[in-house]
Amino acid sequence: GQQVMQIPQYQHVQEGEDFTTYCNSSTTLSNIQWYKQRPGGHPVFLIQLVKSGEVKKQKRLTFQFGEAKKNSSLHITATQTTDVGTYFCAGVGGSGGYQKVTFGIGTKLQVIP
Amino acid sequence: KAGVTQTPRYLIKTRGQQVTLSCSPISGHRSVSWYQQTPGQGLQFLFEYFSETQRNKGNFPGRFSGRQFSNSRSEMNVSTLELGDSALYLCASSSNSIKEQYFGPGTRLTVT
Repeated sequence: GQQVMQIPQYQHVQEGEDFTTYCNSSTTLSNIQWYKQRPGGHPVFLIQLVKSGEVKKQKRLTFQFGEAKKNSSLHITATQTTDVGTYFCAGVGGSGGYQKVTFGIGTKLQVIP
Repeated sequence: KAGVTQTPRYLIKTRGQQVTLSCSPISGHRSVSWYQQTPGQGLQFLFEYFSETQRNKGNFPGRFSGRQFSNSRSEMNVSTLELGDSALYLCASSSNSIKEQYFGPGTRLTVT
């Protein structure tokens, strides 16, 4: 079945440093979604990537979807304390008329001021 | 537009009891998914309902069940509770399976 691996599981960075989390799927995806969960909160949708090789930016966040549509990354430039939280990728894929969503385990980001 | 609501927000039960959790999706959304979240385990998929039909199911025992009503509201039931069922149960709604999901605040279940 479809599996989505996400690394690293934890990351501590000094405020101002960059941060990257990676997702790899065992199968080709239709699209990939990214979510952020603040401590004590629930996951909140950030972005969806659909096209092979797609790159999208949201302020200091850059999202990439691999050419083979099996991997993705989220890069944060110059982290701030407001970036603290767990970042999840969710791969959407499947055969036939039904698509399935599989979440990665998440990367917990801690930013040291 | 109102967000996803879940009730109750907190629940304490004892082993062996059963529990029912409720989720009201965003108006117009027909897909409702349930997840179990425990520290270090990420989001474990329980099941997804679309237009009252269960379309997909995760690897959880039969003690975990769900249903969806004609108004898209969904309930999740856990019977014969075990200590290991203590977790945050999240419900997410979507317009369809490939679109982004909107999560509710979750129900924090503690089994003693």
